[in-house]
Amino acid sequence: QVQLVESGGDVVQPGRSLRLSCAASGFTFSNYYMHWVRQAPGKGLEWVAVIWNDGSTKYYADSVKGRFTISRDKSKNTLYLQMNSLRAEDTAVYYCARGAHSSGPFDYWGQGTLVTVSS
Amino acid sequence: QSVLTQPPSVSGAPGQRVTISCTGSSSNIGAGYDVHWYQQLPGTAPKLLIYTNTNRPSGVPDRFSGSKSGTSASLAISGLQAEDEADYYCQSYDSSLRGIFGTGTKVTVL
Repeated sequence: QVQLVESGGDVVQPGRSLRLSCAASGFTFSNYYMHWVRQAPGKGLEWVAVIWNDGSTKYYADSVKGRFTISRDKSKNTLYLQMNSLRAEDTAVYYCARGAHSSGPFDYWGQGTLVTVSS
Repeated sequence: QSVLTQPPSVSGAPGQRVTISCTGSSSNIGAGYDVHWYQQLPGTAPKLLIYTNTNRPSGVPDRFSGSKSGTSASLAISGLQAEDEADYYCQSYDSSLRGIFGTGTKVTVL
C-alpha cells in the first residue's frame, strides 16, 4: 500500500537550516509529482512546493521562494525539502503529499513532521 | 499568491444537509483548474475527499458531493453524521501551477 513517511522535523533557531525527508513506498515514485504542504499550529493548510515526476520542474510558494529547495532521489524513493534561513513563521507541521499530475489532487499524505523555529 | 475563500464554519443537526463554498478568481478556478476537497479530522493528516470537482475516491460515502461553476466550487454533505465533524479544505492551482488551498471550514454537528 502507498506509504509516505516524513522525518527530520526538529526545534531550530531562527536563521538556521533543516532538511526534511519523505520516504515513499508502495508505488512507482518516479511516476508521480510530489508536494510539500505545511500547517502552522491552529491554522489552515499552506502549499509549499512541488517537484514534477522527472524532477525537471519545481515551483514554490512566494513565502518560501529563495529559502527552500525541493528535490527528489529516484534511487532512494525519497523526497526532500531543504529549508534555509528559517523564520519563526515557518513553524508548522510539514506534510509530503503525492500528486498524479500537474494540476491533480493530493491523493496520499504522510503523517507530518513538526518544525519549530524558536530561539 | 492567491487564496481560495471558504466560510470559517458551518453547522447542522444530524441528518441535515450542509454546504461549503469555495470562492476563487479568474486566475485559478475560473481559469479552468479543477477543485479538490480534503477532510482533516482532529490531530490527523488531511484526506482526499473529492477530486476533479465531483469525483469521490473509493471508500468515501456518497453523502459527500462536489460541484464547480465559474470561479467557485461547493462541497455538500447530506445526512450529516457525528463523524463528519472536521475541518474541510478546497484546493486548486494558479496559472503558474502552484497549489492553492482554501481558508478552511470547520463543520460542527449540533
